[in-house]
Amino acid sequence: AQSVAQPEDQVNVAEGNPLTVKCTYSVSGNPYLFWYVQYPNRGLQFLLKYITGDNLVKGSYGFEAEFNKSQTSFHLKKPSALVSDSALYFCAVRDGGSYIPTFGRGTSLIVHP
Amino acid sequence: EAGVVQSPRYKIIEKKQPVAFWCNPISGHNTLYWYLQNLGQGPELLIRYENEEAVDDSQLPKDRFSAERLKGVDSTLKIQPAELGDSAVYLCASSSRTPRGAGGADTQYFGPGTRLTVL
Repeated sequence: AQSVAQPEDQVNVAEGNPLTVKCTYSVSGNPYLFWYVQYPNRGLQFLLKYITGDNLVKGSYGFEAEFNKSQTSFHLKKPSALVSDSALYFCAVRDGGSYIPTFGRGTSLIVHP
Repeated sequence: EAGVVQSPRYKIIEKKQPVAFWCNPISGHNTLYWYLQNLGQGPELLIRYENEEAVDDSQLPKDRFSAERLKGVDSTLKIQPAELGDSAVYLCASSSRTPRGAGGADTQYFGPGTRLTVL
């Protein structure tokens, strides 16, 4: 079985400040972890993923995420938030032996000017 | 490279009417997914195709939902008859087994979705 949790429904941050969107997961095998962003009335857009290798993964638009096996976490981070980063962010996990990811409920990121 | 195309973008129908959604995946992507996204939720898989074969359809309510991907390229998802609870966004995604683009192998690329409202 696989599951993912995004403990925060909403994250508020001021423009220029660092941001973190949290994600924890549970899988029986090796985790494949993904972050997607969804803007209003748009589909999900791929940001980054972790399969293996370096625990720090860099993705699109200056985002990065750190895989922490001991804490079963894959938090999304950005050093300096932009107002245009305001959107819905989804974390997803799948077991290495599965083709089907499980998505979290999503976290709404609001960046204030 | 063109992305995943879906149509229509919006559909409003009365309950008990049929409705169909169309998806054209990224060229060369052999895997196609249909997801259901309710408001405030993440996407939930309805069905997955490998080429023209449906390989994961356990979450598809087969009494009213059907899907096809006859030539292993574009796909149609149908609901007949629609119920009030079917109001949601229906997302299509595709992926490739070989690394293509920044995401690499098995990364799913999503279309804009079809927002269905059943009255």
